[in-house]
Amino acid sequence: GDSVTQTEGLVTLTEGLPVMLNCTYQSTYSPFLFWYVQHLNEAPKLLLKSFTDNKRPEHQGFHATLHKSSSSFHLQKSSAQLSDSALYYCALSDSGGSNYKLTFGKGTLLTVTP
Amino acid sequence: EAAVTQSPRSKVAVTGGKVTLSCHQTNNHDYMYWYRQDTGHGLRLIHYSYVADSTEKGDIPDGYKASRPSQENFSLILELASLSQTAVYFCASGGGSTGQLYFGEGSKLTVL
Repeated sequence: GDSVTQTEGLVTLTEGLPVMLNCTYQSTYSPFLFWYVQHLNEAPKLLLKSFTDNKRPEHQGFHATLHKSSSSFHLQKSSAQLSDSALYYCALSDSGGSNYKLTFGKGTLLTVTP
Repeated sequence: EAAVTQSPRSKVAVTGGKVTLSCHQTNNHDYMYWYRQDTGHGLRLIHYSYVADSTEKGDIPDGYKASRPSQENFSLILELASLSQTAVYFCASGGGSTGQLYFGEGSKLTVL
């Protein structure tokens, strides 16, 4: 079945340093990949989604590149901000996004310190 | 204006009791989902539905039932609540070409 593996547990960074959260996946088909972000006591919400034409999605300074050869969709940002502290989920949809059934990774808690 | 609302937001239940978590969406989406969130496990799919009066099992359906009486409403039912079902439960709706899910604010369930 489908699975998503993320950088596990807690990642602590100093403000201004680059962010990289790893995500690799296994899927029978060619999936869509997503990054969701959940701030404390809030609902998860979409941060990024992979494109079908290999364009690199970007939002709020974050970007991610889908590498089918290595089955990866790592999340990156050049300079971490305090407001980036949150729980990040990588997820995949293996039906071209058409049935919207997402498989999530276990999440990575990012803490950015001054 | 919240498009996916859950109730109750917090509940304490006794072991063996019945619990119903409700979800209402105003997004006009066909798909609705119930996920469970636990530290170390992330978000796991319990049940989902793509049309009223029909539900599908997700990845961890044991101990849970679901009901979709209308496009807007989707309930999660625990007939005999157990300690292991203590968790935060998220409802979500999805639809359109983006594949994006829209989550409710979550329902924190504590089973004692």
